[in-house]
Amino acid sequence: DQQVKQNSPSLSVQEGRISILNCDYTNSMFDYFLWYKKYPAEGPTFLISISSIKDKNEDGRFTVFLNKSAKHLSLHIAPSQPGDSAVYFCAASGGGYNTNAGKSTFGDGTTLTVKP
Amino acid sequence: DSGVTQTPKHLITATGQRVTLRCSPRSGDLSVYWYQQSLDQGLQFLIQYYNGEERAKGNILERFSAQQFPDLHSELNLSSLELGDSALYFCASSVDPSNQPQHFGDGTRLSIL
Repeated sequence: DQQVKQNSPSLSVQEGRISILNCDYTNSMFDYFLWYKKYPAEGPTFLISISSIKDKNEDGRFTVFLNKSAKHLSLHIAPSQPGDSAVYFCAASGGGYNTNAGKSTFGDGTTLTVKP
Repeated sequence: DSGVTQTPKHLITATGQRVTLRCSPRSGDLSVYWYQQSLDQGLQFLIQYYNGEERAKGNILERFSAQQFPDLHSELNLSSLELGDSALYFCASSVDPSNQPQHFGDGTRLSIL
């Protein structure tokens, strides 16, 4: 049972437009969500996160939205740049300092291609 | 540069063999995590250590084991290797085991022939 799902394996957008990457989760115990970006031959790099007590978090061109009732989060990149082309992973973890904390569950990733 | 160092970068071995993957966490980080990424899949959480103690276990096979040493580096031991163990193995670290971003190494690519 995959608890974190990224249903779109790939997404292609034009430079300057908005990229929207989606992620769904099933475990209501998750209370912390993260997005990572991964370039080929490198490890994932943290991008942005959101706690379940918020519904939006912004950092420059990156905004993450959380809809707890729908168990859905999305990452918006605006405007998109060719350097944003990478694999984006959604991850979820739960519970402060309990045994679920830090135990991130990852989605399978979405490959974003930004065309010049 | 994440500050997390994984060695070796590539490892090629045969079925039935045993290998050890090494990870040095970012300076100051006490928590270490191991993940497996098979072809075109997401990262599967294997195991987490915090300050030398096992903290959480994921889908780690019995043939696999790990430990975190007093200097905080960690090793992942894979034994009786099978073709299906071919994957990228990532190590990540964080300051503590609470909810916070993890810093990943560049991975060890394990190929079983």
